Amino acid sequence: ETGVTQTPRHLVMGMTNKKSLKCEQHLGHNAMYWYKQSAKKPLELMFVYNFKEQTENNSVPSRFSPECPNSSHLFLHLHTLQPEDSALYLCASSRNHGGSLGTDTQYFGPGTRLTVL
Amino acid sequence: AQSVTQLDSQVPVFEEAPVELRCNYSSSVSVYLFWYVQYPNQGLQLLLKYLSGSTLVKGINGFEAEFNKSQTSFHLRKPSVHISDTAEYFCAVSDDNQGGKLIFGQGTELSVKP
Repeated sequence: ETGVTQTPRHLVMGMTNKKSLKCEQHLGHNAMYWYKQSAKKPLELMFVYNFKEQTENNSVPSRFSPECPNSSHLFLHLHTLQPEDSALYLCASSRNHGGSLGTDTQYFGPGTRLTVL
Repeated sequence: AQSVTQLDSQVPVFEEAPVELRCNYSSSVSVYLFWYVQYPNQGLQLLLKYLSGSTLVKGINGFEAEFNKSQTSFHLRKPSVHISDTAEYFCAVSDDNQGGKLIFGQGTELSVKP
């Protein structure tokens, strides 16, 4: 699946570092999502953007800061993370968000495997 | 609130055997159901989805799922699995009250052995 790309694929960072995850979608979609996938837990929705506007913040700590400069790009800025933030971070996109989900199927990128030391 | 339960965390099966991965959701008036597959070191790929209409849904790679409203289930099946089907499978559900949000189950790890 090359419709949604994520970089980097792997990232190791210390607790005092600042880094950013990047997501790009080539599907002409208007909605983009960040999910956190921890071992043996369901995917957790973090943020939703629809037409570049944030429409959902699922009580995510402020050390995670999203940015959506346009409908094709989504960033997740990371600073002063904790070891428990180590996880696979998945980006997804859909045509729209908040309407009929029947037509707004989400397509996922390959994820960034983040390790916080 | 909507919830999803995948009853089996791990399903080992031999190659060419049939498999069923179970998924139950909490009741809702109008529900949309999805199965995603995640191969090792990859993101999630849509296998199939139920939006409305026929309760038997066919997806990619020979998988199918049946929507059973009375049992609030959406079990995934394949009549004969291959080694390449080894992956984690996620059931997800949404409804008109979720504002477009998907609720995921915890996943089922399918391990196909030769």
